[in-house]
Amino acid sequence: QSALTQPASVSGSPGQSITISCTGTSSDVGGYNYVSWYQQHPGKAPKLMIYDVSNRPSGVSARFSGSKSGNTASLTISGLQAEDEADYYCSSYTTSSTWVFGGGTKLTVL
Amino acid sequence: EVQLVESGGGLVQPGRSLRLSCTASGFTFGDYAMSWVRQAPGKGLEWVGFIRSKAYGETTEYAASVKGRFTISRDDSKTIAYLQMNSLKTEDTAVYYCTRDRAPRELGTYAFWGQGTLVTVSS
Repeated sequence: QSALTQPASVSGSPGQSITISCTGTSSDVGGYNYVSWYQQHPGKAPKLMIYDVSNRPSGVSARFSGSKSGNTASLTISGLQAEDEADYYCSSYTTSSTWVFGGGTKLTVL
Repeated sequence: EVQLVESGGGLVQPGRSLRLSCTASGFTFGDYAMSWVRQAPGKGLEWVGFIRSKAYGETTEYAASVKGRFTISRDDSKTIAYLQMNSLKTEDTAVYYCTRDRAPRELGTYAFWGQGTLVTVSS
């Protein structure tokens, strides 16, 4: 199972919105509504930000939203803040009954 | 408070074995699947595998990269999940995280993570 494809890096200024894409195939992202997104700050464990494509866990800011179209899922962060600077990973369920992560995207807040 | 504490990491030679433990507390351990995710130094997250709860037969699934070498098991009476790693390769060097889903019967919604334990495979 190949890793899902994410851009290596994205950047934005405070207050702006950014979107991170996560591209898979019909055997993973496109086939199921089981896409999650994780935020990871340096030296820390990942944090669940979005699950089941567009659901936010309790305590996660409404500035974070998720969507999916075909084989590509997206994470949008609106009203960018300095503390949003981190690595972001998507993950998806696959037809092999396994899970796969994306390669990760480094978000820089300018 | 949900807590997951990994242990058992360290330096091991290629071809040898190592067993990691994930000691859980703060929730009904037997109701949840338990998963392992790893992260090589400076690299991204890689899903390793998981074990379903007893209600789902304690069945397991593994990433292709570890299938046949790694085995996940659980002891609900001790609230511990294990990752038995055999025939270790240098590319297995990583921080290994134990994770728990957000809610029972969910899969892949890793809302809780341990602090991770470093496994270094080197001669």
